[in-house]
Amino acid sequence: QKEVEQNSGPLSVPEGAIASLNCTYSDRGSQSFFWYRQYSGKSPELIMSIYSNGDKEDGRFTAQLNKASQYVSLLIRDSQPSDSATYLCAVRANDYKLSFGAGTTVTVRA
Amino acid sequence: GAGVSQSPSNKVTEKGKDVELRCDPISGHTALYWYRQSLGQGLEFLIYFQGNSAPDKSGLPSDRFSAERTGGSVSTLTIQRTQQEDSAVYLCASSLPGTSGGVLPTDTQYFGPGTRLTVL
Repeated sequence: QKEVEQNSGPLSVPEGAIASLNCTYSDRGSQSFFWYRQYSGKSPELIMSIYSNGDKEDGRFTAQLNKASQYVSLLIRDSQPSDSATYLCAVRANDYKLSFGAGTTVTVRA
Repeated sequence: GAGVSQSPSNKVTEKGKDVELRCDPISGHTALYWYRQSLGQGLEFLIYFQGNSAPDKSGLPSDRFSAERTGGSVSTLTIQRTQQEDSAVYLCASSLPGTSGGVLPTDTQYFGPGTRLTVL
């Protein structure tokens, strides 16, 4: 079993819709959870971090964490063409290593 | 301010040759990471440096891979006798030291633009 798994995608949504990205992790001791956005040919950039159960909102992005279910998600509201990218879920246990999922590619149709 | 820089941006080499990839972290960032990203895959951890502590080399895939960090700043990842399966994008990231002053870094890792390595 992979440490971090994401819904495989690709995910295509119309402009203005909600894009929903899911991620599950295997290490129950994981403490920190991150979503990175990676445009094609570019390096990953952090868009959200979450540490406690519940929701965390930042602009059009909402991260949701459920440690009991070992599940973290990212919602992108009012999706824009500029949101088209690959979204990487990353999980950290109690050390410094990040374990990354393979990513979900999102395409927002104008 | 300046972000993480890496060089070269692209490297094409022949199988069996050695290559060196360079990473210049953000000034003041004592934690430095190397990752590898193969086509369509997530990032694979390779090695971690934190200040003057011994590096964590547990992610290096074989003894052909080595890395050093001189003076706590610039890092070089060396791949000896390259193989075709080494073809990937090699990403470097850096982060600030832990707020507790301990070993663990703070969370945000800032990534460089990567080096795309192609082994023919």
